[in-house]
Amino acid sequence: KNEVEQSPQNLTAQEGEFITINCSYSVGISALHWLQQHPGGGIVSLFMLSSGKKKHGRLIATINIQEKHSSLHITASHPRDSAVYICAVIRMDSNYQLIWGAGTKLIIKP
Amino acid sequence: NAGVMQNPRHLVRRRGQEARLRCSPVKGHSHVYWYRQLPEEGLKFMVYLQKENIIDESGMPKERFSAEFPKEGPSILRIQQVVRGDSAAYFCASSPGQGNSNYGYTFGSGTRLTVV
Repeated sequence: KNEVEQSPQNLTAQEGEFITINCSYSVGISALHWLQQHPGGGIVSLFMLSSGKKKHGRLIATINIQEKHSSLHITASHPRDSAVYICAVIRMDSNYQLIWGAGTKLIIKP
Repeated sequence: NAGVMQNPRHLVRRRGQEARLRCSPVKGHSHVYWYRQLPEEGLKFMVYLQKENIIDESGMPKERFSAEFPKEGPSILRIQQVVRGDSAAYFCASSPGQGNSNYGYTFGSGTRLTVV
């Protein structure tokens, strides 16, 4: 079993829909990252969380440390949001090494 | 230049040749991390370097792969005698301190290595 699991693997939605991507992890962590990767493109860090909730524009990220679970929400989704969204955690005993989820491929149709 | 610069963006090598991948971190960042993304797989940690020091190379294959981060100049990931299985996207990230909950990472656009 992977230490970081994301669901769903693939998600197709219509423009304007509210999107939720989930991430569960099985190890103690010091921080969790949500990142975005466009096809053939680089990786952009969206959020780094160690507790609570963060919001940036139409993106919201939450984390529940007790339940070892995080969610990434996109409100009023747009075709330009189409990308792979990746959850990655820093293990508490590592302090720097990111453990990556497999990613969620999101397609927003106009 | 505010970001991590990786070059080249695309690199094609024949089997047996050497590949050199460069990463210039964000100005002022002294911590560099290399990750590899194999086709259809997630990213995997390779190596963590600070200026002139390798801190953790536990994710790097023992043979043919080496990394450095000299006092001056970019970090270099070097793959000798490349094989088809080395074909992947190689990403570099940097941080101002050790990338724990106090410091985030900035990622480069990656180098896509194709071995033919």
